[in-house]
Amino acid sequence: GAVVSQHPSRVICKSGTSVKIECRSLDFQATTMFWYRQFPKKSLMLMATSNEGSKATYEQGVEKDKFLINHASLTLSTLTVTSAHPEDSSFYICSARAGTERAMAYGYTFGSGTRLTVV
Amino acid sequence: GQQVMQIPQYQHVQEGEDFTTYCNSSTTLSNIQWYKQRPGGHPVFLIQLVKSGEVKKQKRLTFQFGEAKKNSSLHITATQTTDVGTYFCAGGYALNFGKGTSLLVTP
Repeated sequence: GAVVSQHPSRVICKSGTSVKIECRSLDFQATTMFWYRQFPKKSLMLMATSNEGSKATYEQGVEKDKFLINHASLTLSTLTVTSAHPEDSSFYICSARAGTERAMAYGYTFGSGTRLTVV
Repeated sequence: GQQVMQIPQYQHVQEGEDFTTYCNSSTTLSNIQWYKQRPGGHPVFLIQLVKSGEVKKQKRLTFQFGEAKKNSSLHITATQTTDVGTYFCAGGYALNFGKGTSLLVTP
């Protein structure tokens, strides 16, 4: 199968601090990783697409200086929420795409998500 | 940009009844994927459709991709309580998700 590990699963931080979320593909190389945000009972909103070794592509309305994405290797992407505020509280999920053949069989594999609460 | 619309938003059925959710895109899709998300969980891949008019089955689930590759449907026959969750369709390389259909099945 295809497994993506995401942690932490839950984090509570104080307003003004930064939080880093990691997303790792465990048994495949993920050339592309995606970061989503999900509000309660809502759909997943794509925040950014990251390709290994290059700058992330952010969706319209997503502040790149606030949500720093680093995709340093084919198995690791990180999302850092900088100077977090209560309105940043949400469920953040990453997904990873393997090569075309594997993507056909397994789709895009999602991490288990990180619930961020900013107090 | 590409928009994926999904209906209905909610569906409440009795166990044993059938269920269908529909997905429509404003543009032609190269492929469409379906995911299921249980309450409190993360999306889990169900299937990917690529070909025009394609129909795929997984036990009680039937997935269909429209001839114009702009719409898709997921049909569940004889629902069970284990089918509870939100079903999302998603299209495009970066997976633009529909809003999902939340299915509630009562015994």
